[in-house]
Amino acid sequence: EAQVTQNPRYLITVTGKKLTVTCSQNMNHEYMSWYRQDPGLGLRQIYYSMNVEVTDKGDVPEGYKVSRKEKRNFPLILESPSPNQTSLYFCASSLPTGGRYSYNEQFFGPGTRLTVL
Amino acid sequence: GQNIDQPTEMTATEGAIVQINCTYQTSGFNGLFWYQQHAGEAPTFLSYNVLDGLEEKGRFSSFLSRSKGYSYLLLKELQMKDSASYLCAVSPGGSYIPTFGRGTSLIVHP
Repeated sequence: EAQVTQNPRYLITVTGKKLTVTCSQNMNHEYMSWYRQDPGLGLRQIYYSMNVEVTDKGDVPEGYKVSRKEKRNFPLILESPSPNQTSLYFCASSLPTGGRYSYNEQFFGPGTRLTVL
Repeated sequence: GQNIDQPTEMTATEGAIVQINCTYQTSGFNGLFWYQQHAGEAPTFLSYNVLDGLEEKGRFSSFLSRSKGYSYLLLKELQMKDSASYLCAVSPGGSYIPTFGRGTSLIVHP
């Protein structure tokens, strides 16, 4: 089954304790992204990657790191989490459809609800 | 930068028609998306518009006017299961990665 998986789905942690949220897709997609979703603010992009070893900052990258060592995986790293990083996180992957009006349909993972105390 | 506006919340009656508007200002334009997101779930793709006009897909249609920076999502024959957030997203010029608006929460009541 084509899917994007994230782990863990739920996490409660404390300030300053490094954590990694994994994201994996089995669709051979080139593009992968991380978003956070907060009430009233919608989905905001943290980082994105257009291919292996190619990553770039989104709108809210502060306090986060990513890596793209292989095509299927795009982990999100919080080196020193703080309470303002409490949020719902989504990973997404996509592949340009090709053709004259190519576009990327984003396939989202199930989300990771993170609470930082 | 990107600026995408859509109403925060709308209510409608089962069986009715509802139109959710989205206006945008972006540096370049590479297409507009609509996604549906049920509470506690991931967003799912509904539609993509890059040319002006109406795209119809079953009970859902999406319209785009590039000159006005305007789109709407039209939902016909509303069902209770259509209660969800509807996210407008725009891909700016030179990018395949969309920027999302804050979403419109649609409540369908009997």
